[in-house]
Amino acid sequence: SQQGEEDPQALSIQEGENATMNCSYKTSINNLQWYRQNSGRGLVHLILIRSNEREKHSGRLRVTLDTSKKSSSLLITASRAADTASYFCATGLEGGGNKLTFGTGTQLKVEL
Amino acid sequence: SQTIHQWPATLVQPVGSPLSLECTVEGTSNPNLYWYRQAAGRGLQLLFYSVGIGQISSEVPQNLSASRPQDRQFILSSKKLLLSDSGFYLCAWSPDSQETQYFGPGTRLLVL
Repeated sequence: SQQGEEDPQALSIQEGENATMNCSYKTSINNLQWYRQNSGRGLVHLILIRSNEREKHSGRLRVTLDTSKKSSSLLITASRAADTASYFCATGLEGGGNKLTFGTGTQLKVEL
Repeated sequence: SQTIHQWPATLVQPVGSPLSLECTVEGTSNPNLYWYRQAAGRGLQLLFYSVGIGQISSEVPQNLSASRPQDRQFILSSKKLLLSDSGFYLCAWSPDSQETQYFGPGTRLLVL
């Protein structure tokens, strides 16, 4: 079953705008990760945030985590056409070893 | 550096035929290995994971099986394919002590 649910399912923005994607999950986690997938390709790891962290940055990416609301958000600032892809959150559960449970993804389209 | 390979990239097979998909990792030892399936427009479903040679855990009951005959080799098999086995199959690995997963390029399987 899906642990994470991304919102929105699809997002279309203009180049230069910011893109925000949200992820909600159901059970206690050890960490939450965001991955990117270009069409027909494998997933690429973007960022990992641990359950005791609230915010993390990597380049144009900013991830927040609210464990009380069981939610996370991924912000991409100053988006580019090359950011067009699907974005997935994945949760590592407490006591789950290194297994991840992936959400259903947000399809981001950045138009010129 | 570490690399992960999957083959074939694309496969079209008749219903009832056998299947063998191979995944190999280079540049690391004792990785955790994972097989996922992704239906069109959906998230990833974990099928199998392995923490060592000959150690396979199945996540969902299905028509597929997995084997790990060598430390860096993970094989997904079926004796008789079903139409519902069509999908995009992704192999991933993670270092034994870390949560981040690194994905291969995937195999697109179409069962007719």
